[in-house]
Amino acid sequence: AQTVTQSQPEMSVQEAETVTLSCTYDTSENNYYLFWYKQPPSRQMILVIRQEAYKQQNATENRFSVNFQKAAKSFSLKISDSQLGDTAMYFCALGSSNTGKLIFGQGTTLQVKP
Amino acid sequence: NAGVTQTPKFRILKIGQSMTLQCTQDMNHNYMYWYRQDPGMGLKLIYYSVGAGITDKGEVPNGYNVSRSTTEDFPLRLELAAPSQTSVYFCASTTWGLFEGTQETQYFGPGTRLLVL
Repeated sequence: AQTVTQSQPEMSVQEAETVTLSCTYDTSENNYYLFWYKQPPSRQMILVIRQEAYKQQNATENRFSVNFQKAAKSFSLKISDSQLGDTAMYFCALGSSNTGKLIFGQGTTLQVKP
Repeated sequence: NAGVTQTPKFRILKIGQSMTLQCTQDMNHNYMYWYRQDPGMGLKLIYYSVGAGITDKGEVPNGYNVSRSTTEDFPLRLELAAPSQTSVYFCASTTWGLFEGTQETQYFGPGTRLLVL
């Protein structure tokens, strides 16, 4: 069975500082994708960053980057220069390469403090 | 493009009633999905479809039915609503594939909040 675990229910960070959100996963598939989604109070699901498992290079997207450790099945998200607009719930998700089905973690609520 | 649209935005149902949640996408995506999100939790897959006429169960399919007669539409049917179905329902779509350099991902609708009393 595929699982995704986010062990940090809540985190906080001061504006302009850096924060790292943790995610571990388990899958028997060789090809898969990993995602971080942001969900603000509006409930809209917003893609933050995506990583293909066959790529060794860690994905980056402006202030967002990941640390993908395939052997350890770990996929953490680093947010640099945190902004108040980053306050949201963040979900780690594992995507099947065959069907695109997503398995989500429980989420981490991030609060950015001024 | 409107993307993925869902109707209604909010609905209150009585126990035992039935309803259909509508989902439409205008991006010609072949893959579509229904998820539910309970308060403070992550999303769980209910059903998905890889093309018109093809559907399959996800993690939590009990109490729901789907159909996919066109590429654009993927309605979710609730029969005999129960309080355990109180949740926010998200529809999503994608052109899933392994095309390097492209950014296929799931595009989500705004969600339908359902309250069963």
